[in-house]
Amino acid sequence: NAGVTQTPKFQVLKTGQSMTLQCAQDMNHEYMSWYRQDPGMGLRLIHYSVGAGITDQGEVPNGYNVSRSTTEDFPLRLLSAAPSQTSVYFCASSYQGRSSGNTIYFGEGSWLTVV
Amino acid sequence: ELKVEQNPLFLSMQEGKNYTIYCNYSTTSDRLYWYRQDPGKSLESLFVLLSNGAVKQEGRLMASLDTKARLSTLHITAAVHDLSATYFCAVDANAGGTSYGKLTFGQGTILTVHP
Repeated sequence: NAGVTQTPKFQVLKTGQSMTLQCAQDMNHEYMSWYRQDPGMGLRLIHYSVGAGITDQGEVPNGYNVSRSTTEDFPLRLLSAAPSQTSVYFCASSYQGRSSGNTIYFGEGSWLTVV
Repeated sequence: ELKVEQNPLFLSMQEGKNYTIYCNYSTTSDRLYWYRQDPGKSLESLFVLLSNGAVKQEGRLMASLDTKARLSTLHITAAVHDLSATYFCAVDANAGGTSYGKLTFGQGTILTVHP
């Protein structure tokens, strides 16, 4: 049981390049989300998904796309990277069960630098 | 728009002392989370508080939730160096209904415990 797995862990991009951050969970969780963490700002929600085929925007969605074709995977695409997207990205998953308390599990993070 | 504010943002403590971190939020919610983050690491779930008056304790940490005051506290008892980390509170944005794991985070409190 690996939990929430993110790849890559580190990436350097040039401005204008595109890339995909991968996120996979093996807990059969319904809900998945992407956050970015910038210094002094806590984490901010980019996009989230409530199930396969269903996604919605969070607080800071501009410049990012998501899709959820399976329950397990929730990739985050940067369409045309900008220096403002330099950040640490966290993927999270959860489910709402009677006893779960909606514990939310976070991946290890992906450090992205755009130059 | 849900806003979450923590204070203090920086906390320097001596070992053996007690202190409290405060988390205020702006709109109704009945789910509040506390996380710990070590430098360069992911978020570790500490507590999930699901109802007014909820109190949870783990070791030297105790968290409480007052939904009427929109306030949660994280109390540290007899601090030790190993508690040095950044602590985040996060509030579920979907109050009273199904939680989709959409969190709004506070800015984080950087705690340093000195000998």
